[in-house]
Amino acid sequence: EIVMTQSPATLSVSPGERATLSCRASQSVSSNLAWYQQKPGQAPRLLIYGASTRATGIPARFSGSGSGTEFTLSISSLQSEDFAVYYCQQYNNWPLTFGGGAKVEI
Amino acid sequence: EVQLLESGGGLVQPGGSLRLSCAASGFTFSTYAMSWFRQTPGKGLEWVSSISSGGAGTYYADSVRGRLTISRDNSRNTLYLQLNSLRAEDTALYYCARAAGAARPNWFDPWGQGTLVTVSS
Repeated sequence: EIVMTQSPATLSVSPGERATLSCRASQSVSSNLAWYQQKPGQAPRLLIYGASTRATGIPARFSGSGSGTEFTLSISSLQSEDFAVYYCQQYNNWPLTFGGGAKVEI
Repeated sequence: EVQLLESGGGLVQPGGSLRLSCAASGFTFSTYAMSWFRQTPGKGLEWVSSISSGGAGTYYADSVRGRLTISRDNSRNTLYLQLNSLRAEDTALYYCARAAGAARPNWFDPWGQGTLVTVSS
């Protein structure tokens, strides 16, 4: 099983600032990585797939990068609606696995 | 609009059974793989099971293999998860989600709103 590790677990950021979240895989997942956003009481929402491709309707302030074992999600200028928990997910192998989540808070 | 609507959750005793359903609309259900995930309140996401578009391929997390069974009825645009021999640790919010393709491991979009399963005596 591929273990996904996210850091930091919590990131405190002011609106308008940049947020950078990291996700590390225990073995290479190539570019088979997705990022999701989850707000309280809501289902996860796809942000990024293929490590760097924004999903339909996702604002350009969200960007993903990386390949192999090291990945990054960046939010260039945090808006109030961006404060949430973010998860990375690898889909290179079964079983599908998620990182533990990273909370972006004010 | 693509929509997924889960149902069937509830309170069940340890050792009991439950069947979850996920009704799909707004897309050609038979051409997409589908999956179930779960999330314990305040905790992270866990993949549970996936099924290929035609239903021939099924995949399970080790934690549920042999107790949970995924299936689909493409004529009814509905995904199912049969939960047997339930344990307290199966208590979670269960989500269904559409995979990006027909079979291989994939990303998921969209997700349903979830149905809560509580295993307790």
